[in-house]
Amino acid sequence: DAKTTQPNSMESNEEEPVHLPCNHSTISGTDYIHWYRQLPSQGPEYVIHGLTSNVNNRMASLAIAEDRKSSTLILHRATLRDAAVYYCIFSQGGSEKLVFGKGTKLTVNP
Amino acid sequence: EPEVTQTPSHQVTQMGQEVILRCVPISNHLYFYWYRQILGQKVEFLVSFYNNEISEKSEIFDDQFSVERPDGSNFTLKIRSTKLEDSAMYFCASSDPGFNEQYFGPGTRLTVT
Repeated sequence: DAKTTQPNSMESNEEEPVHLPCNHSTISGTDYIHWYRQLPSQGPEYVIHGLTSNVNNRMASLAIAEDRKSSTLILHRATLRDAAVYYCIFSQGGSEKLVFGKGTKLTVNP
Repeated sequence: EPEVTQTPSHQVTQMGQEVILRCVPISNHLYFYWYRQILGQKVEFLVSFYNNEISEKSEIFDDQFSVERPDGSNFTLKIRSTKLEDSAMYFCASSDPGFNEQYFGPGTRLTVT
């Protein structure tokens, strides 16, 4: 299964930017990088995805390294509602399945 | 905003009993999935379903499990003879043909006693 490496936990203060890193050194050229998050007692929630270029949406930005072996999810202004476990995932060989790791537990301090 | 719904929210059953977990995916989506999460553990892929057949399944999805799309709206997961270790949160998800975004339901908590 596709392997990513993320810090177990990170902390941020409310209204400050948060940079969540992910290493995916075994990624191949056609594998998309996906980020999902899981709020307490809820199902996973799609955040953003990308292939090579940096991506922005209403929730976050995704910065992808030039060699694609790492990426960073950027929350521009963290809110208390952003406290969740964030998962970085890539699907290999066109597989539809999402392989969740342990993710990064983000704590947002008021 | 359209969303995936799941029923029931909590199901308690005795070991050896059959259970059916139900999901209503987003209406124009064509790919459907089941995942599960045992308490305190990772979210695990079970199965994906497209064009009325299983497209991929994990080792967890053995002969005790089956999926069905009985009509144009529902997507079900059946466990024929539940075991204690089947106790988990079961999440249904769906995606459009590009399947870059999977939308998850709120989950069904299955407790096997």
